[in-house]
Amino acid sequence: AQSVTQPDIHITVSEGASLELRCNYSYGATPYLFWYVQSPGQGLQLLLKYFSGDTLVQGIKGFEAEFKRSQSSFNLRKPSVHWSDAAEYFCAVVDGNKLVFGAGTILRVKS
Amino acid sequence: NAGVTQTPKFQVLKTGQSMTLQCAQDMNHEYMSWYRQDPGMGLRLIHYSVGAGITDQGEVPNGYNVSRSTTEDFPLRLLSAAPSQTSVYFCASSYSSRYEAFFGQGTRLTVV
Repeated sequence: AQSVTQPDIHITVSEGASLELRCNYSYGATPYLFWYVQSPGQGLQLLLKYFSGDTLVQGIKGFEAEFKRSQSSFNLRKPSVHWSDAAEYFCAVVDGNKLVFGAGTILRVKS
Repeated sequence: NAGVTQTPKFQVLKTGQSMTLQCAQDMNHEYMSWYRQDPGMGLRLIHYSVGAGITDQGEVPNGYNVSRSTTEDFPLRLLSAAPSQTSVYFCASSYSSRYEAFFGQGTRLTVV
């Protein structure tokens, strides 16, 4: 079975600072990868996805992610964080007919 | 469009009671799924369906039943609630597992 690891449970960054959230996956072939965001008390919303092609993927809200096969990683980045980015972020990988999520990273933004 | 609608939003059950969490989507998606979310464990797949009449188990199916009689609806049944089933439950739908999943707002279930 495929799996996703998000090594950081919590991350705190200052408003305006850059952000990188880590995601490592286990999958032999080219994976289908996603990043979702969950604001408090809400459902999940898709930020971006990678299926194939360009390894740098642009998403909504100024986020991007880079697929690195050699490192089995799909890290999420944002050049300048806003207070409204405080949320929980989930990396996910497709495993056949299943979408498998990581444990999530809680982002705190300090002013 | 309403998207994915889950009811109820909150529920308290006593141990041993049964109930059904409702999920409906109006996007004509073939693929629907149920997850539970627990702190530090992310979202874990309970059951999923690739179309009407077809369901399969996910990672944590024990204690839950599903059926899919229509494209729109995918209810989740708790047969005999246990405190370990206290969680937030999310329903999602998409064209397939490889496409963007649209999530409902969740049901917060407490079993006492």
